[in-house]
Amino acid sequence: DTAVSQTPKYLVTQMGNDKSIKCEQNLGHDTMYWYKQDSKKFLKIMFSYNNKELIINETVPNRFSPKSPDKAHLNLHINSLELGDSAVYFCASSRRTLAGGSGELFFGEGSRLTVL
Amino acid sequence: AQTVTQSQPEMSVQEAETVTLSCTYDTSESDYYLFWYKQPPSRQMILVIRQEAYKQQNATENRFSVNFQKAAKSFSLKISDSQLGDAAMYFCAYRSTQGGSEKLVFGKGTKLTVNP
Repeated sequence: DTAVSQTPKYLVTQMGNDKSIKCEQNLGHDTMYWYKQDSKKFLKIMFSYNNKELIINETVPNRFSPKSPDKAHLNLHINSLELGDSAVYFCASSRRTLAGGSGELFFGEGSRLTVL
Repeated sequence: AQTVTQSQPEMSVQEAETVTLSCTYDTSESDYYLFWYKQPPSRQMILVIRQEAYKQQNATENRFSVNFQKAAKSFSLKISDSQLGDAAMYFCAYRSTQGGSEKLVFGKGTKLTVNP
């Protein structure tokens, strides 16, 4: 079983469209994240959720809306896609260090989004 | 805010040789975690090694070891007996242990090439 799984792995779409990426973790972690990796491979956090509560929102445009229906799932919806949204989006999970976690993030395989 | 700097965008090593990747970070905290992640062409993020700041002993995982210099805020990765499969992007990352903002902050990465 994949620990952190994201779908789809690849997404090609036109500017202006709306798309979603789904993420699920079966590790029993309480915190989930979305990271964006740009064309220069730089990884930057977008959001984090702890037990369905938004904890971190790193100045991401309002067109990006995360949703966490439960602590095992974190989805990312993107409205009105722009060329600059083309990137690899990684979902990750962890247990909070205050809850005895090791600090490590477990990553999904990434979803490559291409906006034409 | 914490920052992580990897000053070597690219490095190369001969198979079976040793290579050291550099990482420095900036923080005012006394307790934190440091990580090295590997990202091969498959784009999967793989944890290589982890260090807790309160531990003076340098972490080691098989052929991978770190040189953690807390006062200098330096965390370099040494890869011994390099193998072709070590070729990848390597990211240094910092994680705070302060509650409420548990995220990994990444450096910009070092691309490692292993020559046969």
